[in-house]
Amino acid sequence: GQQVMQIPQYQHVQEGEDFTTYCNSSTTLSNIQWYKQRPGGHPVFLIQLVKSGEVKKQKRLTFQFGEAKKNSSLHITATQTTDVGTYFCAGPHYGGSQGNLIFGKGTKLSVKP
Amino acid sequence: DGGITQSPKYLFRKEGQNVTLSCEQNLNHDAMYWYRQDPGQGLRLIYYSQIVNDFQKGDIAEGYSVSREKKESFPLTVTSAQKNPTAFYLCASSIEGQGAIDTQYFGPGTRLTVL
Repeated sequence: GQQVMQIPQYQHVQEGEDFTTYCNSSTTLSNIQWYKQRPGGHPVFLIQLVKSGEVKKQKRLTFQFGEAKKNSSLHITATQTTDVGTYFCAGPHYGGSQGNLIFGKGTKLSVKP
Repeated sequence: DGGITQSPKYLFRKEGQNVTLSCEQNLNHDAMYWYRQDPGQGLRLIYYSQIVNDFQKGDIAEGYSVSREKKESFPLTVTSAQKNPTAFYLCASSIEGQGAIDTQYFGPGTRLTVL
């Protein structure tokens, strides 16, 4: 069935280092969404990418959607302790009984001050 | 102040008891969802509802039941048939639940512990 995979599962960085998480889909996606979940919190929507090759920036965060619309990445420049959390990508689920989004398992980021 | 509320935040129950988790939204969203989150497992869909009085099973519906009698409310019952119910439960809603670009808004979650 349709799958959304994320790597790495965990990433430990020193404050100030860069961080990247990658998301790969088994199927072509019409769009991809990114969510952030702080420790003890709930997922919060960050951004949505729709166009092939699209790049969007939010301050130190850069999001990319692949040309084939099957992969995406989130890059954080010069991480800060406030970036700590788990980052999930999600794409539309086509058919089946899984609701309208299928989530990756997430990348858990820890930042050492 | 619009949003999704879940109660209680922490819930303890004895093995063999049913328990109901509350989820209410005032966003006027048609679709609502229940997810289970275990460490390292991401979000797994339990049930979802795209309209009042209708709902569908997700990937891990066994041992759970839901109702959608009102647009604002989507309670989840964890029954004694659920083999390993200890987990973090998240409720979410979205505007339509059918469109390809529908963002989900999550409640704060309920952490259930079975003693």
